[in-house]
Amino acid sequence: VMTQTPLSLSVTPGQPASISCKSTQSPLHSDGRTYLYWYRQKPGQSPQLLIYEVSNRFSGVPNRFSGSGSGTDFTLKISRVEAEDVGIYYCMQSVHFPPRYSFGQGTKVEIK
Amino acid sequence: EVQLVESGGVVVQPGGSLRLSCAASGFTLEDYTMHWVRQAPGKGLEWISLITWDGGDTNYADSVKGRFTVSRDNSKNFLYLQMNNLRTEDTAFYYCAKDTYFDILSGLDVWGQGTTVTVSS
Repeated sequence: VMTQTPLSLSVTPGQPASISCKSTQSPLHSDGRTYLYWYRQKPGQSPQLLIYEVSNRFSGVPNRFSGSGSGTDFTLKISRVEAEDVGIYYCMQSVHFPPRYSFGQGTKVEIK
Repeated sequence: EVQLVESGGVVVQPGGSLRLSCAASGFTLEDYTMHWVRQAPGKGLEWISLITWDGGDTNYADSVKGRFTVSRDNSKNFLYLQMNNLRTEDTAFYYCAKDTYFDILSGLDVWGQGTTVTVSS
């Protein structure tokens, strides 16, 4: 089970934002990789991958997005929120046995 | 351009059946494990199924196990989801998505635009 906090966030443009994701099961695999991801779903769109394996920005993702964490606690940070960052942010982890993905419940980010 | 396009979503009565399709283009489908993820109206994302590159392994969320069957035709570049004994709680937007790398569960980097399934009498 993955728990995100807060569930909603209202941010002034230019200000930072932070979303927490806590898992009951560590996404650290025996291969040494940590299978924790962050997605943004803009209104009316499909989810888009932002961060893979905790802290790696996916292709084309602005460097104002960063991911961190270890064990069962992870964080997505937006250094300076822009208007286009509105949407719902989800953390997701890989569960290998049996194989599946598990999503957090989502955090809605709005602009003040 | 790497693209996934879902189709087949309709309004169906409880207990009915439906098959969703997902057309892949711009990449070699057989190189990747593929997934179905759904989103009920106003709710979050729920992973529901995966199928490995050759169809040799599948897995399902408990919520759909025994009712849904995932399959693929790599020669035609299609992924499918056969949905039987549909319930009102299956009403959702259904997405297909691909793993980022050949490694299973390497994150979902490409998603389709989704197709809507409504289960209602």
